[in-house]
Amino acid sequence: EVLLVESGGGLVQPGGSLRLSCAASQFTFSNYAMTWVRQAPGKGLEWVATISSSGSSTYYADSVKGRFSISRDNSKNTLYLQMNSLRADDTALYYCAKGRLTNPPYTRYFDNWGQGTLVTVSS
Amino acid sequence: DIQLTQSPSFLSASIGDRVTITCRASQGISSYLAWYQQKPGTAPKLLIYGASTLQSGVPSRFSGSGSGTEFTLTISSLQPEDFATYYCQHFNSFPLTFGGGTKVEIK
Repeated sequence: EVLLVESGGGLVQPGGSLRLSCAASQFTFSNYAMTWVRQAPGKGLEWVATISSSGSSTYYADSVKGRFSISRDNSKNTLYLQMNSLRADDTALYYCAKGRLTNPPYTRYFDNWGQGTLVTVSS
Repeated sequence: DIQLTQSPSFLSASIGDRVTITCRASQGISSYLAWYQQKPGTAPKLLIYGASTLQSGVPSRFSGSGSGTEFTLTISSLQPEDFATYYCQHFNSFPLTFGGGTKVEIK
Protein backbone atom coordinates (compact mmCIF):
# COMPACT_ATOMS: atom_id res chain seq x y z
CA GLU A 1 0.00 0.00 0.00
CA VAL A 2 1.28 3.43 -0.97
CA LEU A 3 2.46 5.47 2.01
CA LEU A 4 3.10 9.22 2.05
CA VAL A 5 4.25 10.78 5.30
CA GLU A 6 4.66 14.54 5.56
CA SER A 7 6.79 16.27 8.16
CA GLY A 8 8.38 19.63 8.88
CA GLY A 9 5.35 21.70 9.73
CA GLY A 10 5.19 23.97 12.73
CA LEU A 11 4.80 27.54 13.99
CA VAL A 12 6.80 30.18 12.15
CA GLN A 13 6.79 33.96 12.24
CA PRO A 14 5.70 36.01 9.24
CA GLY A 15 8.60 36.38 6.86
CA GLY A 16 10.16 33.14 8.06
CA SER A 17 11.00 29.94 6.24
CA LEU A 18 10.15 26.30 6.60
CA ARG A 19 10.94 23.14 4.63
CA LEU A 20 8.37 20.40 4.39
CA SER A 21 9.23 16.82 3.52
CA CYS A 22 7.14 13.95 2.24
CA ALA A 23 8.59 10.46 2.58
CA ALA A 24 7.16 8.04 0.05
CA SER A 25 7.15 4.26 0.10
CA GLN A 26 5.55 1.18 -1.45
CA PHE A 27 5.64 2.50 -5.00
CA THR A 28 8.28 3.47 -7.54
CA PHE A 29 8.60 7.10 -6.50
CA SER A 30 10.81 8.09 -9.43
CA ASN A 31 8.06 7.20 -11.92
CA TYR A 32 5.43 9.62 -10.62
CA ALA A 33 4.87 13.35 -10.59
CA MET A 34 4.17 14.63 -7.09
CA THR A 35 2.12 17.53 -5.84
CA TRP A 36 1.57 19.67 -2.76
CA VAL A 37 -2.00 20.69 -1.92
CA ARG A 38 -2.94 22.81 1.08
CA GLN A 39 -6.07 23.43 3.09
CA ALA A 40 -6.47 26.45 5.33
CA PRO A 41 -8.41 25.79 8.55
CA GLY A 42 -12.08 25.29 7.73
CA LYS A 43 -11.50 26.04 4.05
CA GLY A 44 -11.29 24.16 0.78
CA LEU A 45 -8.42 22.57 -1.10
CA GLU A 46 -5.82 24.66 -2.91
CA TRP A 47 -3.22 23.31 -5.32
CA VAL A 48 0.25 24.62 -4.44
CA ALA A 49 2.88 23.03 -6.68
CA THR A 50 3.67 20.01 -8.85
CA ILE A 51 6.98 18.47 -9.86
CA SER A 52 7.54 16.01 -12.68
CA SER A 53 8.87 12.53 -12.05
CA SER A 54 12.44 13.49 -12.96
CA GLY A 55 12.26 16.85 -11.24
CA SER A 56 13.01 18.70 -14.45
CA SER A 57 9.64 20.47 -14.58
CA THR A 58 7.92 22.38 -11.82
CA TYR A 59 4.62 24.27 -11.67
CA TYR A 60 3.35 26.70 -9.04
CA ALA A 61 0.18 28.46 -8.01
CA ASP A 62 0.43 32.23 -8.44
CA SER A 63 -0.11 32.62 -4.69
CA VAL A 64 3.24 30.93 -3.92
CA LYS A 65 5.30 31.60 -7.04
CA GLY A 66 8.65 33.15 -6.19
CA ARG A 67 8.34 32.20 -2.51
CA PHE A 68 7.97 28.42 -2.53
CA SER A 69 10.14 25.83 -4.25
CA ILE A 70 9.21 22.21 -4.87
CA SER A 71 11.94 19.61 -5.29
CA ARG A 72 12.54 15.91 -4.95
CA ASP A 73 15.29 13.42 -4.23
CA ASN A 74 14.46 10.24 -6.07
CA SER A 75 17.34 8.41 -4.39
CA LYS A 76 15.69 9.07 -1.03
CA ASN A 77 12.06 8.73 -2.20
CA THR A 78 11.37 12.14 -0.74
CA LEU A 79 9.48 15.22 -1.89
CA TYR A 80 10.19 18.67 -0.50
CA LEU A 81 8.57 22.08 -0.30
CA GLN A 82 10.82 24.97 0.64
CA MET A 83 8.67 27.82 1.85
CA ASN A 84 10.17 31.31 2.20
CA SER A 85 8.70 34.71 3.01
CA LEU A 86 5.80 33.05 4.77
CA ARG A 87 2.62 35.00 5.33
CA ALA A 88 -0.36 34.52 7.60
CA ASP A 89 -2.46 33.33 4.66
CA ASP A 90 -0.03 30.44 4.12
CA THR A 91 -1.37 28.91 7.35
CA ALA A 92 -2.76 25.54 6.32
CA LEU A 93 -2.50 21.80 6.44
CA TYR A 94 -0.11 20.81 3.66
CA TYR A 95 -0.69 17.49 1.91
CA CYS A 96 1.59 15.72 -0.51
CA ALA A 97 -0.19 13.74 -3.18
CA LYS A 98 0.77 11.22 -5.84
CA GLY A 99 -0.43 11.45 -9.42
CA ARG A 100 -2.52 8.48 -10.39
CA LEU A 101 -0.65 7.64 -13.57
CA THR A 102 2.77 8.37 -15.01
CA ASN A 103 1.79 10.21 -18.18
CA PRO A 104 0.33 13.72 -18.37
CA PRO A 105 -2.36 14.87 -17.90
CA TYR A 106 -3.13 11.83 -15.77
CA THR A 107 -0.37 12.86 -13.37
CA ARG A 108 -2.46 15.85 -12.34
CA TYR A 109 -5.10 14.15 -10.21
CA PHE A 110 -4.29 12.22 -7.10
CA ASP A 111 -4.98 8.70 -5.94
CA ASN A 112 -2.91 8.78 -2.77
CA TRP A 113 -2.49 11.51 -0.18
CA GLY A 114 -0.50 11.85 3.00
CA GLN A 115 -2.04 12.78 6.34
CA GLY A 116 -0.80 16.36 6.09
CA THR A 117 1.52 18.57 8.11
CA LEU A 118 0.28 21.78 9.70
CA VAL A 119 2.00 25.07 9.02
CA THR A 120 1.01 28.01 11.20
CA VAL A 121 2.34 31.48 10.35
CA SER A 122 1.85 33.82 13.26
CA SER A 123 3.75 36.24 15.44
CA ASP B 1 -7.01 30.22 -15.18
CA ILE B 2 -9.92 27.79 -15.09
CA GLN B 3 -12.41 28.41 -12.31
CA LEU B 4 -14.63 25.63 -10.97
CA THR B 5 -17.96 26.52 -9.39
CA GLN B 6 -19.65 23.84 -7.32
CA SER B 7 -23.29 23.88 -6.34
CA PRO B 8 -24.79 23.64 -3.90
CA SER B 9 -22.16 24.51 -1.31
CA PHE B 10 -24.22 22.74 1.32
CA LEU B 11 -26.97 20.18 1.17
CA SER B 12 -28.98 18.34 3.76
CA ALA B 13 -30.23 14.88 2.81
CA SER B 14 -31.59 11.68 4.30
CA ILE B 15 -30.31 8.14 4.14
CA GLY B 16 -31.44 6.61 0.87
CA ASP B 17 -31.80 9.93 -0.96
CA ARG B 18 -30.42 10.49 -4.43
CA VAL B 19 -27.94 13.35 -4.31
CA THR B 20 -26.52 15.36 -7.20
CA ILE B 21 -23.68 17.85 -7.03
CA THR B 22 -22.77 20.09 -9.96
CA CYS B 23 -19.39 21.45 -10.97
CA ARG B 24 -19.16 24.10 -13.69
CA ALA B 25 -15.89 25.06 -15.37
CA SER B 26 -15.23 28.56 -16.63
CA GLN B 27 -13.97 27.10 -19.91
CA GLY B 28 -14.06 23.73 -21.59
CA ILE B 29 -11.94 21.03 -19.97
CA SER B 30 -13.04 18.01 -22.01
CA SER B 31 -13.33 15.18 -19.46
CA TYR B 32 -10.33 16.21 -17.38
CA LEU B 33 -12.22 16.34 -14.10
CA ALA B 34 -11.87 14.41 -10.84
CA TRP B 35 -14.06 14.18 -7.77
CA TYR B 36 -12.87 13.70 -4.19
CA GLN B 37 -14.55 12.94 -0.89
CA GLN B 38 -13.15 14.37 2.33
CA LYS B 39 -14.27 13.46 5.83
CA PRO B 40 -13.32 15.62 8.83
CA GLY B 41 -9.73 15.16 9.95
CA THR B 42 -8.78 13.00 6.99
CA ALA B 43 -7.14 13.48 3.61
CA PRO B 44 -9.24 13.67 0.44
CA LYS B 45 -10.08 10.40 -1.26
CA LEU B 46 -10.28 10.05 -5.04
CA LEU B 47 -13.75 8.92 -6.13
CA ILE B 48 -13.96 9.57 -9.87
CA TYR B 49 -11.55 10.62 -12.62
CA GLY B 50 -11.97 11.37 -16.27
CA ALA B 51 -15.37 12.79 -15.30
CA SER B 52 -17.02 9.38 -15.13
CA THR B 53 -14.56 6.59 -14.28
CA LEU B 54 -14.95 5.14 -10.82
CA GLN B 55 -11.72 4.75 -8.87
CA SER B 56 -11.03 1.20 -7.75
CA GLY B 57 -12.77 0.32 -4.51
CA VAL B 58 -15.34 3.11 -4.68
CA PRO B 59 -18.94 1.91 -4.29
CA SER B 60 -21.04 1.82 -7.44
CA ARG B 61 -23.65 4.16 -5.93
CA PHE B 62 -21.23 6.94 -6.88
CA SER B 63 -21.27 8.06 -10.50
CA GLY B 64 -20.01 10.99 -12.51
CA SER B 65 -21.03 12.49 -15.80
CA GLY B 66 -20.44 15.47 -18.03
CA SER B 67 -17.85 16.95 -20.32
CA GLY B 68 -16.81 20.38 -21.49
CA THR B 69 -17.99 22.80 -18.81
CA GLU B 70 -20.69 21.02 -16.84
CA PHE B 71 -20.23 17.99 -14.65
CA THR B 72 -22.22 16.13 -12.03
CA LEU B 73 -21.46 13.76 -9.18
CA THR B 74 -24.42 11.58 -8.19
CA ILE B 75 -24.87 9.37 -5.17
CA SER B 76 -27.76 7.08 -6.03
CA SER B 77 -28.72 6.13 -2.48
CA LEU B 78 -27.02 8.08 0.29
CA GLN B 79 -25.43 5.96 3.01
CA PRO B 80 -24.32 7.02 6.50
CA GLU B 81 -20.65 6.88 5.49
CA ASP B 82 -21.26 9.30 2.60
CA PHE B 83 -21.75 12.33 4.81
CA ALA B 84 -18.68 14.35 3.92
CA THR B 85 -17.46 17.23 1.79
CA TYR B 86 -17.03 16.67 -1.93
CA TYR B 87 -14.64 18.55 -4.23
CA CYS B 88 -14.20 18.62 -7.97
CA GLN B 89 -10.78 19.30 -9.51
CA HIS B 90 -9.80 19.91 -13.11
CA PHE B 91 -6.58 18.53 -14.54
CA ASN B 92 -6.80 20.02 -18.00
CA SER B 93 -3.75 22.25 -17.54
CA PHE B 94 -1.78 24.16 -14.96
CA PRO B 95 -2.75 25.87 -12.72
CA LEU B 96 -4.88 23.10 -11.28
CA THR B 97 -7.95 24.22 -9.38
CA PHE B 98 -10.52 22.72 -7.05
CA GLY B 99 -14.13 23.62 -6.67
CA GLY B 100 -15.21 25.28 -3.45
CA GLY B 101 -16.67 22.07 -2.04
CA THR B 102 -20.11 20.70 -1.23
CA LYS B 103 -20.81 19.64 2.32
CA VAL B 104 -23.37 16.85 2.58
CA GLU B 105 -25.03 16.65 5.96
CA ILE B 106 -27.72 14.50 7.54
CA LYS B 107 -31.25 15.89 7.44
